[in-house]
Amino acid sequence: DAKTTQPTSMDCAEGRAANLPCNHSTISGNEYVYWYRQIHSQGPQYIIHGLKNNETNEMASLIITEDRKSSTLILPHATLRDTAVYYCSHSGGSNYKLTFGKGTLLTVNP
Amino acid sequence: KAGVTQTPRYLIKTRGQQVTLSCSPISGHRSVSWYQQTPGQGLQFLFEYFSETQRNKGNFPGRFSGRQFSNSRSEMNVSTLELGDSALYLCASSAGQGADGYTFGSGTRLTVV
Repeated sequence: DAKTTQPTSMDCAEGRAANLPCNHSTISGNEYVYWYRQIHSQGPQYIIHGLKNNETNEMASLIITEDRKSSTLILPHATLRDTAVYYCSHSGGSNYKLTFGKGTLLTVNP
Repeated sequence: KAGVTQTPRYLIKTRGQQVTLSCSPISGHRSVSWYQQTPGQGLQFLFEYFSETQRNKGNFPGRFSGRQFSNSRSEMNVSTLELGDSALYLCASSAGQGADGYTFGSGTRLTVV
């Protein structure tokens, strides 16, 4: 099964960038890296995904290392509403599932 | 466009009963997968369906089953409920081609008493 390792918790000041790391050393060559977040036991919300190039969308940026064994999710200007548990995972090819670790609880402080 | 719809939102059942949960994917999405979330075990994959065929299955007992209909809607069933089955059950839909993102519904909160 896919294994991901993330810090248990992180703090960030409102307005500053939040950088959330993830190790995914078991990722296969055709699998994508996915990031989700979950607030108050709602369904996980999709943030971003990528294969090997860095990606950016309206929510965040994703930096994937050259060996693809780790990635960093960047929230450029964190707000209080970004307080959530953030999960990274990988999936693709014939692996039609997401395997989640414990995630990182990001707390954005005023 | 409408998101992933799960019904019911909340459910209370008694040990030994069975339960059926429903998921309607995003229009055009042919893949539906199911996850169980508990405080102790976190988010765990149950199974995934694409065009009415189960393509992947997690490590859950046979009491957990699912199916997908021709319109891509999916149901999961849990028979002989146990207290430990109390959880948030989440459904996610995708276009189903591996590289596509998965969109989750709000979940069904099942409580077994």
